[in-house]
Amino acid sequence: DAGITQSPRHKVTETGTPVTLRCHQTENHRYMYWYRQDPGHGLRLIHYSYGVKDTDKGEVSDGYSVSRSKTEDFLLTLESATSSQTSVYFCAISAGQGGNQPQHFGDGTRLSIL
Amino acid sequence: KQEVTQIPAALSVPEGENLVLNCSFTDSAIYNLQWFRQDPGKGLTSLLLIQSSQREQTSGRLNASLDKSSGRSTLYIAASQPGDSATYLCAVSRGSSGDKLTFGTGTRLAVRP
Repeated sequence: DAGITQSPRHKVTETGTPVTLRCHQTENHRYMYWYRQDPGHGLRLIHYSYGVKDTDKGEVSDGYSVSRSKTEDFLLTLESATSSQTSVYFCAISAGQGGNQPQHFGDGTRLSIL
Repeated sequence: KQEVTQIPAALSVPEGENLVLNCSFTDSAIYNLQWFRQDPGKGLTSLLLIQSSQREQTSGRLNASLDKSSGRSTLYIAASQPGDSATYLCAVSRGSSGDKLTFGTGTRLAVRP
């Protein structure tokens, strides 16, 4: 299994509070991704990174920010959590771009916002 | 906008049966197509990756085919086992963005002993 650790694995918080999810990898892969998974929608890309300090938006980026100060860590922040952000969040990593390398996923963080 | 559809949404088969899972996509300008499995409460496990220039990939009892022109892929599972029970997801990479993936909503497979 690819060395990907997501923390926390579960979190319950209240509307309006800030939340930070962490993805840590030991594979030294350049590309990292944050997805959310919701019933009926499948997985949708939130943000991704193609190197240290290099990030870009995905299809559902509103309300989320990311940071990558080291190759191994990719942080996802909800500045002011809303109930619509209740979801399961997955981090993924990839060694290459251009479609020649598979993405490998962490076990997810289940986030509930009350 | 790329849309990915997987049919059927759920499937139950007896052990030992050969089965086919289907994936269709609307925009044929893809870099690759990937098949994943997801066990309950777990992340996704990459099964097969087919690059746009390829027609199929095989791994053990799994065979995935790709027909870009018709926007279709199939995942063939031979001699199914109860351990194959999981949700199977296909995803296509967006043409100009390398490996940003668009996912289908999956096929939930149950293999009965």
